[in-house]
Amino acid sequence: AQSVTQPDIHITVSEGASLELRCNYSYGATPYLFWYVQSPGQGLQLLLKYFSGDTLVQGIKGFEAEFKRSQSSFNLRKPSVHWSDAAEYFCAVGLFSGGYNKLIFGAGTRLAVHP
Amino acid sequence: NAGVMQNPRHLVRRRGQEARLRCSPMKGHSHVYWYRQLPEEGLKFMVYLQKENIIDESGMPKERFSAEFPKEGPSILRIQQVVRGDSAAYFCASSPGSGSLYEQYFGPGTRLTVT
Repeated sequence: AQSVTQPDIHITVSEGASLELRCNYSYGATPYLFWYVQSPGQGLQLLLKYFSGDTLVQGIKGFEAEFKRSQSSFNLRKPSVHWSDAAEYFCAVGLFSGGYNKLIFGAGTRLAVHP
Repeated sequence: NAGVMQNPRHLVRRRGQEARLRCSPMKGHSHVYWYRQLPEEGLKFMVYLQKENIIDESGMPKERFSAEFPKEGPSILRIQQVVRGDSAAYFCASSPGSGSLYEQYFGPGTRLTVT
């Protein structure tokens, strides 16, 4: 069955430090992969997505993610974290069948940023 | 262009009452997805609708839950005879199309508390 695992429930980094959030997926075919961010009390905002092509994708707010098929991973990175990046981050795989895209989400990683 | 609207943002119901959650998609979007987020979990797909049609309700509990997306007006997620286990955040997302490249835009969610 398709699934998404985010091994880290909570991560704390200092402002200005680099960040990597891990995501592993289980999916038989070529996956559609997404990272979303959820600020408290808000809906989800798409940070970036991977469908095909270049395995390093750039997103909004200075985020990037790298698709590694051999490791079934799609880790999110940012070279220098800002205090405003504190939020919950969700990795998702899109099950595209029947002509529509059903998203399967990981449990999320909550990021805290120390000043 | 207003984003996806959900109301109410917070809803408190006693056990046995009915809960009605509304989702107004973005202008021009005729595809709606509903997801449920239980505490400390990721979002889980519930149902996918197009105008006047339920396309995929594989994630909906078999009893008490129903969804509609009429020709005019918002999409409605209805939960009859609510129980404590229904307490969760319910998110809807809308999309302009059903193809794999169409992004889902999320609303801010309705947080349902059953007392």
